[in-house]
Amino acid sequence: AQKVTQAQTEISVVEKEDVTLDCVYETRDTTYYLFWYKQPPSGELVFLIRRNSFDEQNEISGRYSWNFQKSTSSFNFTITASQVVDSAVYFCALGLNDYKLSFGAGTTVTVRA
Amino acid sequence: DTAVSQTPKYLVTQMGNDKSIKCEQNLGHDTMYWYKQDSKKFLKIMFSYNNKELIINETVPNRFSPKSPDKAHLNLHINSLELGDSAVYFCASSQVQRPGADTQYFGPGTRLTVL
Repeated sequence: AQKVTQAQTEISVVEKEDVTLDCVYETRDTTYYLFWYKQPPSGELVFLIRRNSFDEQNEISGRYSWNFQKSTSSFNFTITASQVVDSAVYFCALGLNDYKLSFGAGTTVTVRA
Repeated sequence: DTAVSQTPKYLVTQMGNDKSIKCEQNLGHDTMYWYKQDSKKFLKIMFSYNNKELIINETVPNRFSPKSPDKAHLNLHINSLELGDSAVYFCASSQVQRPGADTQYFGPGTRLTVL
C-alpha cells in the first residue's frame, strides 16, 4: 500500500530563516506523482507543485524549491527567507494509477516576526 | 470567479439530523471528489465521481451518500449525523486524463459541527 510520511509535525522559525519540510513516500509503482499543498490558517487547500516519477529535476518557484530524490523516496520542500505569510500546514501527497491522493499527516510551519 | 465552491462554509447541527453539502466546479473538469479532514488535520478520500459515475467509494458509513446530478456538481448527503462526523469536508475536482497524474483543485471546505 502506498504511504506518505511527513515526520515533522511542527516547525517554528523566525522570519527570514530557511525551512525544509521532509516528505518520504512508499510505493511499488514505477509511475507515480507527488504533490505539495498549502493550507493557510484560513483553511483552504492551495496547490503548490506536481512532480512525476520520471522527472527528478529540482524545481524552484520564487522562494519555494523542491528536491526530488528517487533513491531515498523523498520529495522535500524548502522555503527560503521565510515570511509570516508562509505560516500554514503543508501537505505532501502521492498519486498513483487510481483517482486518489494519499496525503501525509502535514507539517505545521509557524514563522515568527 | 471561484473554481471549486462549496456551500455552506459552516454547518452546525444536532445529532440525528440529516444534512447536505453542495459542491460546484466551473473548471470543466471530469472528476470530482469528497475528502474528510479530521481534527488532527488528516485528509482522507471518501468518494470520487468521474462523469457522474462513482469510481471511488472508500470505507465510509452508508449514512454518507454522494450524488452527482452532472459533472459540474457533486453533493454530499449525510443521514443520522453522529458526533464523530464533525470534521471539515473538502470537495475537489480534476481533469483526469491519467488517474493519479492530474492536479486536484480543492474547494474552501465545509466545517461540520455535530452537537
